[in-house]
Amino acid sequence: GAVVSQHPSWVICKSGTSVKIECRSLDFQATTMFWYRQFPKQSLMLMATSNEGSKATYEQGVEKDKFLINHASLTLSTLTVTSAHPEDSSFYICSARAPEDYGYTFGSGTRLTVV
Amino acid sequence: LAKTTQPISMDSYEGQEVNITCSHNNIATNDYITWYQQFPSQGPRFIIQGYKTKVTNEVASLFIPADRKSSTLSLPRVSLSDTAVYYCLVDGSSNTGKLIFGQGTTLQVKP
Repeated sequence: GAVVSQHPSWVICKSGTSVKIECRSLDFQATTMFWYRQFPKQSLMLMATSNEGSKATYEQGVEKDKFLINHASLTLSTLTVTSAHPEDSSFYICSARAPEDYGYTFGSGTRLTVV
Repeated sequence: LAKTTQPISMDSYEGQEVNITCSHNNIATNDYITWYQQFPSQGPRFIIQGYKTKVTNEVASLFIPADRKSSTLSLPRVSLSDTAVYYCLVDGSSNTGKLIFGQGTTLQVKP
């Protein structure tokens, strides 16, 4: 089946620095990818829809200047957390749907810890 | 947007059949019902998808009544490794193509 690769799987950064998370569709092209954030014991919260070749669409309450999304190719979307603060510590997950699949395929997630 | 409602948690024992019901009263004609499984610190994994009646695959069955306002995920003979969070989602035009997660059902399988 379709595979979505997410990197890194975990990252620790200092407060005020920026962190980039990559999401790649390995064996299919994805014009649309989705980014989620998940806090402990909570469900996934959709942050934004990443569109290849155009600007991302952010959900209400998500700061577009803080969470920069770039979808420069049909197989790669990146999420950059800028000027990270401890409250940005969370589990970030991306997803995409392969054309022949019924459901969405999710990356393995990135655990971000800001210290 | 079509919203889903599931029990927050369920307990079961190894070898039992587990049925998790989800309600989606506002489901639209073009919507499909999809279930995902999530283990701690992992991304969700697709389990099964259906539109109406019954769908079965190698891991689960999905029952959808004629009015499609609810669905039931059936896991036959669960094992300890089935302990996870299960999400019911409505996938389609009512959510403008987005996959919106509800609270999910935490299934705890006991020995």
